[in-house]
Amino acid sequence: GENVEQHPSTLSVQEGDSAVIKCTYSDSASNYFPWYKQELGKRPQLIIDIRSNVGEKKDQRIAVTLNKTAKHFSLHITETQPEDSAVYFCAASINNDMRFGAGTRLTVKP
Amino acid sequence: NAGVMQNPRHLVRRRGQEARLRCSPMKGHSHVYWYRQLPEEGLKFMVYLQKENIIDESGMPKERFSAEFPKEGPSILRIQQVVRGDSAAYFCASSPGLKEAQYFGPGTRLLVL
Repeated sequence: GENVEQHPSTLSVQEGDSAVIKCTYSDSASNYFPWYKQELGKRPQLIIDIRSNVGEKKDQRIAVTLNKTAKHFSLHITETQPEDSAVYFCAASINNDMRFGAGTRLTVKP
Repeated sequence: NAGVMQNPRHLVRRRGQEARLRCSPMKGHSHVYWYRQLPEEGLKFMVYLQKENIIDESGMPKERFSAEFPKEGPSILRIQQVVRGDSAAYFCASSPGLKEAQYFGPGTRLLVL
């Protein structure tokens, strides 16, 4: 099965609302969890990351939370804007490298 | 400080030809990763290399695909005898170390006719 599962696959919110994307991972040894944003036709861009020694990290309108016991982590975007519309990927370090979730297509309606 | 570079950005091949994709990591990065992305899908891990070594190739098909990261020069992903199903975007990423942030190149979009 997949090492990293991501939900939902699509998410539509109204401008100004919050968006939450959740991921679970299977390897208890994973200790690094980045999030990437990919706009149409462009490369994935790192937007925030968290290591297993912290439970939460925030950068302006973006925050990530990590629950090591439950092996899940979440991306929270507050006060969403149309330019937040993109595909978001979570990832978790697995053995020697990284495994990505299948992505969440976020649409922010003006 | 240039980011991860990939070339070509677009590559068209006919079935049976060879495709060679190049990736130059960010300065100071010695870890390179290759991913494949089909339209409307996620990033599928293919291979992880350090200079002159393949660390993990578990995501790469055993036939027709190979990768290298020589002591000098870019990392190369080579696809022999391409088939239509190889059409995809191939992204390279680099990082300064194990379990560190990976930074992606612009990708090579391969189209097999």
